[in-house]
Amino acid sequence: DAGITQSPRHKVTETGTPVTLRCHQTENHRYMYWYRQDPGHGLRLIHYSYGVKDTDKGEVSDGYSVSRSKTEDFLLTLESATSSQTSVYFCAIRRDRNTEAFFGQGTRLTVV
Amino acid sequence: DAKTTQPNSMESNEEEPVHLPCNHSTISGTDYIHWYRQLPSQGPEYVIHGLTSNVNNRMASLAIAEDRKSSTLILHRATLRDAAVYYCILVIQGAQKLVFGQGTRLTINP
Repeated sequence: DAGITQSPRHKVTETGTPVTLRCHQTENHRYMYWYRQDPGHGLRLIHYSYGVKDTDKGEVSDGYSVSRSKTEDFLLTLESATSSQTSVYFCAIRRDRNTEAFFGQGTRLTVV
Repeated sequence: DAKTTQPNSMESNEEEPVHLPCNHSTISGTDYIHWYRQLPSQGPEYVIHGLTSNVNNRMASLAIAEDRKSSTLILHRATLRDAAVYYCILVIQGAQKLVFGQGTRLTINP
């Protein structure tokens, strides 16, 4: 299994609070991604990174920010959580642009 | 991003072959065809990918039409553990993003 760990695995938070999800990899892969998955919507790309300090937006980036200060960690921050951000969040990594992706086990976030 | 079309759901029986279709009529010459699957309560996992020629690995086979406008993922002998959502996606050669569609929910009957 690819060395990719998401933390926390489950979180319940209140509306309006900031939340940070962490994705940690031990593979030294260049590319890292954050997706959310909701019933009826499949996997939707939030943000991705193509190197340290290099990030870009995906399809559903509003309300989210990311940071990558070192190769192994990619953080997803919800500045002020809303109930519409209740979802399962998946992190993925790729070695380079022509290779397959490996996914983490997911973080289930509930905003109440 | 180039689009793929898959049936919403399919059903098959244990120990029989399964053919999962994917249409990608707008594929361009440098787009790779990737397949991933997602087992219940897990993250997606890579299955196979190809460009022009048919591909085989320990999990499955990928048959690509001559005009590349469609492909088929073949599970040679389905088991109950193959019940999952299967995603067919196009990856532009060198592209940074991976964009997923809705996938096909495969049910395996004992």
